[in-house]
Amino acid sequence: AQKVTQAQTEISVVEKEDVTLDCVYETRDTTYYLFWYKQPPSGELVFLIRRNSFDEQNEISGRYSWNFQKSTSSFNFTITASQVVDSAVYFCALRPQAGTALIFGKGTTLSVSS
Amino acid sequence: DTGVSQNPRHKITKRGQNVTFRCDPISEHNRLYWYRQTLGQGPEFLTYFQNEAQLEKSRLLSDRFSAERPKGSFSTLEIQRTEQGDSAMYLCASSPLWGANEKLFFGSGTQLSVL
Repeated sequence: AQKVTQAQTEISVVEKEDVTLDCVYETRDTTYYLFWYKQPPSGELVFLIRRNSFDEQNEISGRYSWNFQKSTSSFNFTITASQVVDSAVYFCALRPQAGTALIFGKGTTLSVSS
Repeated sequence: DTGVSQNPRHKITKRGQNVTFRCDPISEHNRLYWYRQTLGQGPEFLTYFQNEAQLEKSRLLSDRFSAERPKGSFSTLEIQRTEQGDSAMYLCASSPLWGANEKLFFGSGTQLSVL
């Protein structure tokens, strides 16, 4: 079965706190792709990152960082020094080897207050 | 701004009516996708076009749903005999054929409410 689980439904933090959004995936494929998308209140999903299954290097982009661990089937996302503008729903998604569909988790709603 | 455009933004209809949504992808993008998102859920794949060819359909796409992309540019999604369970946000996305072809660019969606 192909599945993405985002166990955290909602997270609330105060500005400048660090926050980690968890993502656990299930697939039997050896080649697959993982993604994170951000959905602000406007509704438009915004691409954040894509990671291939054979590339376990962690990545940092500004205040964002991603930790990919195949051993635990996790692809977690950390925002450092959160800002109010980070408030959104964040989705983790899996694209299996076959097909073109992205399989999304249910999302984590992040609320950052000032 | 030349992002993915979807019209209308909102549609309210009565059960049993037909509705049609339109998606204009980014002009140089060959691939076009439709997804459906209900409240509190992640988007679910419906169908995919490469140019004008519909190459993949989800089992979620019942016989009442039909999608077209007649000239490989814009796409329409029609729902016939709408049901209350069809109420959702319908999202369109596009991506280029080569290069970053797995980076989907999404539109803002069409919110459908079936009364």
